[in-house]
Amino acid sequence: KAGVTQTPRYLIKTRGQQVTLSCSPISGHRSVSWYQQTPGQGLQFLFEYFSETQRNKGNFPGRFSGRQFSNSRSEMNVSTLELGDSALYLCASSSGSGRARGTDTQYFGPGTRLTVL
Amino acid sequence: AQSVTQLGSHVSVSEGALVLLRCNYSSSVPPYLFWYVQYPNQGLQLLLKYTTGATLVKGINGFEAEFKKSETSFHLTKPSAHMSDAAEYFCAVSDSGTYKYIFGTGTRLKVLA
Repeated sequence: KAGVTQTPRYLIKTRGQQVTLSCSPISGHRSVSWYQQTPGQGLQFLFEYFSETQRNKGNFPGRFSGRQFSNSRSEMNVSTLELGDSALYLCASSSGSGRARGTDTQYFGPGTRLTVL
Repeated sequence: AQSVTQLGSHVSVSEGALVLLRCNYSSSVPPYLFWYVQYPNQGLQLLLKYTTGATLVKGINGFEAEFKKSETSFHLTKPSAHMSDAAEYFCAVSDSGTYKYIFGTGTRLKVLA
């Protein structure tokens, strides 16, 4: 079974631009979560999508947004990029079902490393 | 609010020695706890998880962790370190049973020959 794939793997942008990152979950998985990883703040939850609906959201400004398509693929968008947005963005997928969602395993992709100049 | 604290941002052990990585959590509800490993330029790989049931959890690559409610701890151990264990390890708790994970700050494990 193919794992979680993220494209592109590396991205360089300049301040003020916007960027779109893509995530394809494991086949059959309906939940996709996004995390930002930086040396200073560590791993922080951005949002989670399930069946095209945002189910949970972290504490990030509105410049960070996402969406999920009917095939469970997800994109996240960052508008008006700032230097501090430079990070590794990780996507994770899980089945999304089950009474206690937290018991499911989240499988992470390799990440997209975004550099903002 | 739930939180996770990992003691020691860097840990060094000799090859063949015991690995002990510490994780303490804070949760007002029964926690779901996870250990992930991250190798350079890669994503996170699940080592093991505790949800309910047996408090001693065995994971991949010879790692195990014990959930101790009285100590609010979930320390990761491996009896004998291998060079390939060198990586960064993250402890996480599921926020109120959701897919929103709260991660610790990570512990970078160095294995000395």
